[in-house]
Amino acid sequence: QQQVKQSPQSLIVQKGGISIINCAYENTAFDYFPWYQQFPGKGPALLIAIRPDVSEKKEGRFTISFNKSAKQFSLHIMDSQPGDSATYFCAASRGSGYSTLTFGKGTMLLVSP
Amino acid sequence: KAGVTQTPRYLIKTRGQQVTLSCSPISGHRSVSWYQQTPGQGLQFLFEYFSETQRNKGNFPGRFSGRQFSNSRSEMNVSTLELGDSALYLCASSSRGAGVYEQYFGPGTRLTVT
Repeated sequence: QQQVKQSPQSLIVQKGGISIINCAYENTAFDYFPWYQQFPGKGPALLIAIRPDVSEKKEGRFTISFNKSAKQFSLHIMDSQPGDSATYFCAASRGSGYSTLTFGKGTMLLVSP
Repeated sequence: KAGVTQTPRYLIKTRGQQVTLSCSPISGHRSVSWYQQTPGQGLQFLFEYFSETQRNKGNFPGRFSGRQFSNSRSEMNVSTLELGDSALYLCASSSRGAGVYEQYFGPGTRLTVT
């Protein structure tokens, strides 16, 4: 049972465009939703995260939108740059003190120059 | 602060052998989690250690085990290696304080089983 579904699997965006990656979750006990960025040969790097008490969080060019009733959240990358080309993973964890992250399958983003 | 370090970075083993991977968390972090990353299954949780105690365990066979030392460093062991154990093994650390969830990953150990 896949608890976090991520789409699309791959995405090509032109430089300066907006990249949008979506995730949906099933477990209503999840209360922390991070996004990770992974470059080839590297470990995932924490990009931005949100808790369900807010509907949007913005850090620089990266924004998370969160819809609690729909059990969906998305990552928007504004003014996408070739250096943003990487694999992005959404994740979720539940409950205070639980560190276990359940990951989506990942989205390979290619930003063309 | 130095990040999470993992050793070795690359490892080639033969079926049936066992392997031990090491992880040093960020200074001050007391929680260490291990994940397996494969192209087919993605990132899957193996187990988490906090203050030398295993707190959570994922859905992996008993051939996968781990431990944490008093200095928070952690090791994971895989016995009787199978071809399907070929993967990137990632270690993540967190301070795991009240309300703190951020996990920071190391570069991983690439294990190839032949």
